Amino acid sequence: DAGVTQSPTHLIKTRGQQVTLRCSPKSGHDTVSWYQQALGQGPQFIFQYYEEEERQRGNFPDRFSGHQFPNYSSELNVNALLLGDSALYLCASTPGQSSYEQYFGPGTRLTVT
Amino acid sequence: DAKTTQPNSMESNEEEPVHLPCNHSTISGTDYIHWYRQLPSQGPEYVIHGLTSNVNNRMASLAIAEDRKSSTLILHRATLRDAAVYYCILRDWDAGNMLTFGGGTRLMVKP
Repeated sequence: DAGVTQSPTHLIKTRGQQVTLRCSPKSGHDTVSWYQQALGQGPQFIFQYYEEEERQRGNFPDRFSGHQFPNYSSELNVNALLLGDSALYLCASTPGQSSYEQYFGPGTRLTVT
Repeated sequence: DAKTTQPNSMESNEEEPVHLPCNHSTISGTDYIHWYRQLPSQGPEYVIHGLTSNVNNRMASLAIAEDRKSSTLILHRATLRDAAVYYCILRDWDAGNMLTFGGGTRLMVKP
């Protein structure tokens, strides 16, 4: 079992650009959540997808959007990048919308210059 | 979600027990106590969770105070691989998958 995989590993973008990050959940998991982790801080919840719909959302602007595909994989899109969007973006998957154990991927390190 | 308070950092010697404290004085009756840890350059990893009773699993033990206003994660024999940031998180049973992470405790293990 490959666990949760994310791509790319690292990414460098310029202010104002758009970025798409990808996540493949653990086998058998149908729910994907995304988190943003700034340097030296704990992860912050962005949103959760289940059955191809956004089910929960944290305190993030509309510039952050997502998508879930029929195979349960997911994308995180961020538009109009700001310097403050530089962070580690983590994907977590679970079997169902309310599972006690979330499985996290290794993250994508986004640097905005 | 109710807030938790943890020490910023702790130090331990290898092969000795480690007690990581967490205060959550505003915990509600439906909040579960979860612990995750994040090893360097990795995503967080589930450790243990509980509601009222003490819990044990292969990784650790969770001791919950009788009034539930505090809890302690116990690593019975720390190894160098246990060096990580440990997060104590409260999650309402009906809150879906959203986890609200605080700053956590950075555990350093000395050989």
